[in-house]
Amino acid sequence: ILNVEQSPQSLHVQEGDSTNFTCSFPSSNFYALHWYRWETAKSPEALFVMTLNGDEKKKGRISATLNTKEGYSYLYIKGSQPEDSATYLCAFQPGSGAGSYQLTFGKGTKLSVIP
Amino acid sequence: DTGVSQDPRHKITKRGQNVTFRCDPISEHNRLYWYRQTLGQGPEFLTYFQNEAQLEKSRLLSDRFSAERPKGSFSTLEIQRTEQGDSAMYLCASSLGLPNTEAFFGQGTRLTVV
Repeated sequence: ILNVEQSPQSLHVQEGDSTNFTCSFPSSNFYALHWYRWETAKSPEALFVMTLNGDEKKKGRISATLNTKEGYSYLYIKGSQPEDSATYLCAFQPGSGAGSYQLTFGKGTKLSVIP
Repeated sequence: DTGVSQDPRHKITKRGQNVTFRCDPISEHNRLYWYRQTLGQGPEFLTYFQNEAQLEKSRLLSDRFSAERPKGSFSTLEIQRTEQGDSAMYLCASSLGLPNTEAFFGQGTRLTVV
């Protein structure tokens, strides 16, 4: 059983604050780490697919880093806005074997941005 | 709309009844996935299709669950003899058959078994 942990479970920040969350995953048999944003009553939306150790990706005010050797990824949001309020999910994709196409998700970090 | 669509969005059923959900993926995507999310958990993988072939099934998928993708386009997920523990959000996703590509999710079908 693969273990993907996210912290914190929930977070309240003021508008304009910057924030970050953590995703930890198995450091062996790694293929990719996915980040999704899931707003209430909408579809989960892909933010990043990260594959290389040391990878850094950016999309607007959101960025992510990846450390495959130690098995963690950080998601950063700069200058949080109310529209950033959502649950942020990370998902581990293994590199080989029967589980190759299965994503194992963490439980998510629920972000609430207070205007 | 070119996204993944799921039908119905909500389903309430009595215990013991059969239910069927439909997923229409993005048209050029050859991979299709079903996930289930219960309260307080992340989505859990159920099954995966490449075109019409069902290539992977989770141990979570009991004999009461069956999924099909008959022509490699839309997919159905059927649950027979529903139980209260089947209450969950059922998510469908699709992707291209290329490495490192993201999966695009539908809005899900919320199943409540009473």
